[in-house]
Amino acid sequence: NAGVTQTPKFQVLKTGQSMTLQCAQDMNHEYMSWYRQDPGMGLRLIHYSVGAGITDQGEVPNGYNVSRSTTEDFPLRLLSAAPSQTSVYFCATALFGRVSTEAFFGQGTRLTVV
Amino acid sequence: GENVEQHPSTLSVQEGDSAVIKCTYSDSASNYFPWYKQELGKRPQLIIDIRSNVGEKKDQRIAVTLNKTAKHFSLHITETQPEDSAVYFCAEGGGADGLTFGKGTHLIIQP
Repeated sequence: NAGVTQTPKFQVLKTGQSMTLQCAQDMNHEYMSWYRQDPGMGLRLIHYSVGAGITDQGEVPNGYNVSRSTTEDFPLRLLSAAPSQTSVYFCATALFGRVSTEAFFGQGTRLTVV
Repeated sequence: GENVEQHPSTLSVQEGDSAVIKCTYSDSASNYFPWYKQELGKRPQLIIDIRSNVGEKKDQRIAVTLNKTAKHFSLHITETQPEDSAVYFCAEGGGADGLTFGKGTHLIIQP
């Protein structure tokens, strides 16, 4: 039982490149989300999904795209990387679509855009 | 969720003393208030949570209090130990848009 798995752990991109951050969970959680963590800014919600086929925007969605074709996977796509997207990205899941239970985080992806 | 204000941003206490971190929120519909601990280079992990029908919850050295009328909740850590040094985040939720986090408190335990 792996929980929430993010890949890769580290990534360096050049400005303008695109890439996909992967998030997979084996806990059969309905809710999946992506946060970015910047110094002094806490964790800010990028996109979230309350179930397969359903996605919605969070607080800071610009420059990112998501899809939820299966319960297990919730990839985050950077369309054209910018230095402002340098951050640590966390995927988080919860049992139900309405998050009133513990959220489980992946180990994080440290992304640097040069 | 809407805004969550967390104070202080840094807290330094002597080992053995108590630490208190406070958060305020603005969304009246919030009904779930978790606290997460994040050690350096690690993922956030839940340490305690409280729901809106409860005013206080305790788990060994940590406790959380909630005042729904005033829209604030607090984390209390007693008899602090070196391993309590970390960044602590409060959050509020209960809606389908997930958790809204505070900006975090860096807790430093001085030996």
